[in-house]
Amino acid sequence: DAEITQSPRHKITETGRQVTLACHQTWNHNNMFWYRQDLGHGLRLIHYSYGVQDTNKGEVSDGYSVSRSNTEDLPLTLESAASSQTSVYFCASTEGLAGYTQYFGPGTRLTVL
Amino acid sequence: RKEVEQDPGPFNVPEGATVAFNCTYSNSASQSFFWYRQDCRKEPKLLMSVYSSGNEDGRFTAQLNRASQYISLLIRDSKLSDSATYLCVVNNFNKFYFGSGTKLNVKP
Repeated sequence: DAEITQSPRHKITETGRQVTLACHQTWNHNNMFWYRQDLGHGLRLIHYSYGVQDTNKGEVSDGYSVSRSNTEDLPLTLESAASSQTSVYFCASTEGLAGYTQYFGPGTRLTVL
Repeated sequence: RKEVEQDPGPFNVPEGATVAFNCTYSNSASQSFFWYRQDCRKEPKLLMSVYSSGNEDGRFTAQLNRASQYISLLIRDSKLSDSATYLCVVNNFNKFYFGSGTKLNVKP
């Protein structure tokens, strides 16, 4: 069955370190998204991509970057981790946009000490 | 103003009760609407899309009111397994906007 996976599922790191969170989907979806979820804020969009070599900033993109070298993967990099980036991170993909459902990965719980 | 707003709850209801959630959105040009369910520490999962004419899926009914810019979710005959957080999601200009969620606790 097609799926979307994230790794690692849990990560503890220190302030200032670079961290990369992986997202891999086997649906061959062009559209992929990264969100963070914090209490009281719901899911907030970090970065998104509509296809290979396409990346766009979301509402909370500062301190994060993504790259899209193939259809299946959209890794999220924290350039220099900060305690404010402690959160749960969800990756999602969708076949289309308006009217199409997003499918989410299981999430990565990141703690920055 | 947030793109999507929901009452955070929690809504505490007994088994068998009927409960309704509302969600308002700010952009009148929004194109598509969804309700997702999220269990504690898990990923959101689609519960149902919301269509202009309203739609029903078993015990769940979703409605859209474009004039007042809100969507609703009605759950009839609540089950213990319905306990979760329900997220309202709106798509406009090819982006998805999420409400903060409404927490439902169904008690025996």
